Amino acid sequence: QVQMQESGPGLVKSSETLSLTCTVSGGSVSSGSYYWSWIRQPPGKGLEWIGDVHDSGSTNHNPSLNGRGTITVDTSKNQFSLNLSSVTAADTAVYYCAKTVTLSEDAFDIWGQGTMVSVSS
Amino acid sequence: EIVLTQSPGTLSLSPGERGTLSCRASQSVSSSSLAWYQQKPGQSPRLLIYGASSRATGVPDRFTGSGSGTDFTLTISRLEPEDFAVYYCQQYSSSPWTFGQGTKVEIK
Repeated sequence: QVQMQESGPGLVKSSETLSLTCTVSGGSVSSGSYYWSWIRQPPGKGLEWIGDVHDSGSTNHNPSLNGRGTITVDTSKNQFSLNLSSVTAADTAVYYCAKTVTLSEDAFDIWGQGTMVSVSS
Repeated sequence: EIVLTQSPGTLSLSPGERGTLSCRASQSVSSSSLAWYQQKPGQSPRLLIYGASSRATGVPDRFTGSGSGTDFTLTISRLEPEDFAVYYCQQYSSSPWTFGQGTKVEIK
C-alpha cells in the first residue's frame, strides 16, 4: 500500500520560496503508472490543485500560480518536491501530496497527511 | 477553467436518512472525469468515487455517484454516523483540475 508523507518548514517569510518534499513509501515514483500531485487547502477553505509531475519529468501546473510553482521528481530518493516562489499570506495553507488512480484517471486515491505552511510578514 | 458549483452548501440530515449532493460544471466534463471526496476535520480528503460512478477501494456501497455532462450527483443511501463530513467534487476533464467549494453534511 502506497503511503505519502510531506515534509518542509511550517513557516516561510513573505517574498521567499516555499519548499516541500513528498516521500513515497510502499511504491515507486518511477513506476510510470501515476501522476504525483500537490494540492493545497487554505484554513477553512476548499481545495486547490497546484500541479503534478510524472517520473518522465513532465509537469503540469495550475496557471493561477502565475508561474511561481515548480514541481520536480527525484527517483533516486523516491520523492517529489514543490517550490513556490515569492510567497504571500495568500499561500498560507495545508499542503497535500497525492497520487492519481492511473495515468488516465486523474482522481487522487492516496494522500499524505498534509503539512501546514504559514507565511509571515 | 471549469468551475464546479456544489449544492446545497449545507445539508442537515439525521442518521438513516438519504443524502443527495449536487455538483454542476460550468462546461461539459468529458469522459465522466469527475470524482467525489469526503473530508473530516483534521484529516486528508478520502476518494469515494471516480469516473463519475466507480467506487474507490473500500468505499461502502451506500455511496453512489451518477451523472454526466454538466450535472453530477453523489447519493448516500442511508447516512451512518461516520458519514457526517464535508464532500467535494473534482473534475479532471480539462486542466487545471478543479474542485467544488464543498457540501457540509451535518447532523440534524
